[in-house]
Amino acid sequence: QKEVEQDPGPLSVPEGAIVSLNCTYSNSAFQYFMWYRQYSRKGPELLMYTYSSGNKEDGRFTAQVDKSSKYISLFIRDSQPSDSATYLCAMAQGGSEKLVFGKGMKLTVNP
Amino acid sequence: SAVISQKPSRDICQRGTSLTIQCQVDSQVTMMFWYRQQPGQSLTLIATANQGSEATYESGFVIDKFPISRPNLTFSTLTVSNMSPEDSSIYLCSVLTGPYEQYFGPGTRLTVT
Repeated sequence: QKEVEQDPGPLSVPEGAIVSLNCTYSNSAFQYFMWYRQYSRKGPELLMYTYSSGNKEDGRFTAQVDKSSKYISLFIRDSQPSDSATYLCAMAQGGSEKLVFGKGMKLTVNP
Repeated sequence: SAVISQKPSRDICQRGTSLTIQCQVDSQVTMMFWYRQQPGQSLTLIATANQGSEATYESGFVIDKFPISRPNLTFSTLTVSNMSPEDSSIYLCSVLTGPYEQYFGPGTRLTVT
């Protein structure tokens, strides 16, 4: 079993939809959870990171962590065509800077 | 955050040759990382490069194949040695600017023929 599982999609939604992206993990030592956005032919861009369980909101983006279920989510409200990209989840253990990534989910928002 | 540049942005190389990829950051950082991103695969950490010490390699990656230099706090190089088609990938450097805040360069797209 991989440490981090992420459905690679692709996912296609109409503009304005609420998008839910998810990752599961097996390593209970993960304490830090990140979401990256990667546009085609660009490097990953850090969107949000959270510590332990709970929610974190930043504009149209909400990151949610459920450590009891080993499940994290990224919600995008009022999705825009500019949100079309690959979204990668990443995780790290406490005291370690090593990130473990999911495979990434390719999202297309259609105008 | 940090502004990171990589050279070259892409290259096509013949098998058996070596390519050195440069990573430049606009501020001094202690920790730099090198990753590989292959189609359909997760971003995979190759090694951690700290200034003034030997790079630390992850399982499956060895110094002879991927030698790394870190001469100062704003620059690092990764060499892909004795290349084979299996080395075709995107290579990315990243820097740590705060606790768990890693920022990535634009990547180097390598094709080995």
